[in-house]
Amino acid sequence: DIQMTQSPSSLSASVGDRVTITCRASQDISTSLNWYQQKPGRAPKLLIYSTSNLQSGVPSRFSGSGSGTGFTLTISGLQPEDFASYYCQQSYSTPLYTFGQGTTLEIK
Amino acid sequence: QVQLQQWGAGLLKPSETLSLTCSVNGESFSGYYWTWIRQPPGKGLEWIGEINHSGSTNFNPSLKSRVTISIDTSQNHFSLNLSSVTAADTAVYYCTRGRLTIFGGGGYYFDYWGQGTLATVSS
Repeated sequence: DIQMTQSPSSLSASVGDRVTITCRASQDISTSLNWYQQKPGRAPKLLIYSTSNLQSGVPSRFSGSGSGTGFTLTISGLQPEDFASYYCQQSYSTPLYTFGQGTTLEIK
Repeated sequence: QVQLQQWGAGLLKPSETLSLTCSVNGESFSGYYWTWIRQPPGKGLEWIGEINHSGSTNFNPSLKSRVTISIDTSQNHFSLNLSSVTAADTAVYYCTRGRLTIFGGGGYYFDYWGQGTLATVSS
């Protein structure tokens, strides 16, 4: 199985900050990396697919980059609604898809 | 607008079978993999398995011996059965749509999700 490791596990930030979440794969996954946002009691929501492609309707303050084994999700100018948990997911090793353990973004 | 609406029993005893169904509105089944993912309370996401419109399935090896996924295209729904449940199977179960990316290394991403169903296994 391809293991996905996110860092940090939790993060405190303020409205307006720029934050970066990192996801590392245990082997090369090219650009087959997706990001999701999850709020308490809600289903995950797709933010970015294939490393850097913004899902329709997602604000442009979200961006993704990387390739191979290292990836980042950046939120530029945090908004109150962005405080949530974030998960990366590899889609390279089909069909056994695996997720990172999650990063919780909290208000400072 | 694609909508996934799921339902099923929420409280089970050990050794029973978990059964969930997901209704799909606003989209045909063709061209996607219809997928089940679960999330134990306070934990991360685990891919369970998938099915396409022709009934071809794939499963997580860790669950394969206990999982059945079926599809009924005439009724626009797909279902999950997980047999011989234990407390370790307590989780929120989500149905999702897997869409193939046209970019890079390929693979599927999950763009539409059901609302989730909490399944609790307790004696």
